Amino acid sequence: EVQLVESGGGLVKPGGSLTLSCAASGFTFSDYSMNWVRQAPGKGLEWVSSISSLSGYIYYADSVKGRFTISRDNAKNSLYLQMNSLRAEDTAVYYCAKMSGVTGSWYDFIDFWGQGNLVTVSS
Amino acid sequence: SYELTQPPSVSVSPGQTAKIFCSGDALSNQFAYWYQQRPGQAPLVLIYQDTKRPSEIPERFSGSSSGTTVTLTISEVRAEDEAVYYCQSADSTGTYPVVFGGGTKLTVL
Repeated sequence: EVQLVESGGGLVKPGGSLTLSCAASGFTFSDYSMNWVRQAPGKGLEWVSSISSLSGYIYYADSVKGRFTISRDNAKNSLYLQMNSLRAEDTAVYYCAKMSGVTGSWYDFIDFWGQGNLVTVSS
Repeated sequence: SYELTQPPSVSVSPGQTAKIFCSGDALSNQFAYWYQQRPGQAPLVLIYQDTKRPSEIPERFSGSSSGTTVTLTISEVRAEDEAVYYCQSADSTGTYPVVFGGGTKLTVL
């Protein structure tokens, strides 16, 4: 059974930093691209960042470029999101999400999501 | 950046057919995907590669594509289908490998 378990969320002041972690199990983690997707309270889904299986491709949404860093440790079956210079508008539930790989491309669609981890940026 | 456009809301009576549209320039050469999100839950993929349906998704859900518009069709709508539906694709260059539409709230009257 695929499981994605996020940790590291919480309350942080504007300008502060936070690192989210995602522990993956139930599949060969090193074979799949991974993503972070967020959802502000009462709002829609917003893609944050993607990383390919061997970290050769890394992309960010314009809204977080230069402030957030995605990384992965295939030996530890873990995905990370380092978030710096946090703003109130970064407040959201952050989902760790697995790319399906069904199409053979390094990016296609998300077939499994974590339970979500709330990050609140407020003074 | 790249955008996918969906109507904010669609309403339909039980037993009727609902159609949710999603438009974007790159949809003519990038696959589209559809998700359902119920309150308090993570999204669930309904359609992939424009028209394919995971085995666990009912046949009532179908997808189609024409030019720069893709459509999610829900036949014989049930009360349990009330949820927010998102389309997803990518831009043509791969710079934005995951792009979501704004979401469409389906209300079952």
